[in-house]
Amino acid sequence: KAGVTQTPRYLIKTRGQQVTLSCSPISGHRSVSWYQQTPGQGLQFLFEYFSETQRNKGNFPGRFSGRQFSNSRSEMNVSTLELGDSALYLCATRGETEAFFGQGTRLTVV
Amino acid sequence: QQQVKQSPQSLIVQKGGIPIINCAYENTAFDYFPWYQQFPGKGPALLIAIRPDVSEKKEGRFTISFNKSAKQFSLHIMDSQPGDSATYFCAATGTASKLTFGTGTRLQVTL
Repeated sequence: KAGVTQTPRYLIKTRGQQVTLSCSPISGHRSVSWYQQTPGQGLQFLFEYFSETQRNKGNFPGRFSGRQFSNSRSEMNVSTLELGDSALYLCATRGETEAFFGQGTRLTVV
Repeated sequence: QQQVKQSPQSLIVQKGGIPIINCAYENTAFDYFPWYQQFPGKGPALLIAIRPDVSEKKEGRFTISFNKSAKQFSLHIMDSQPGDSATYFCAATGTASKLTFGTGTRLQVTL
């Protein structure tokens, strides 16, 4: 069974730009969650999608958004990038109970 | 109420030792407690998980102990090896599927 695939693995963007990250879940997993990981704040929940609907949302500004497609693939978008958005963005997909993470996308904002 | 407190922040043990990482939670609605292992440049990998209806769960060299009344749980790594050197995160979740993570413990196993 293929794991969770995130693309791209690395990104460098300039302040003010926007970025789109992609996550392909494990086959059969319909729940996709996104997390931001930074040295200072640790792992923080961004949002969760299930069957193309946002089911849960963390405490992040509206610049952070996401969507899920009918094949369960998900994208997250960050608009008007700030230096503080530099982080590892992780996608997790869930079956019955267990959540499995992808390798993450390392975003650097310069 | 959503916090999960994890300690210690870092830990150094010799090969064969038994590192113990502790976590405490506040939200009594949490009913699933996984532990994740993360190597540099990789995503967290699920190690072992427990529900509050059992007090201990063992998988290979990894054991979770759970104390429901104290709202605490811990990870023990038996016969630790240098390859276990990584950052370990405890987490908790309830009916909502979002995971609330501890702050992580950086473990170093020396020869």
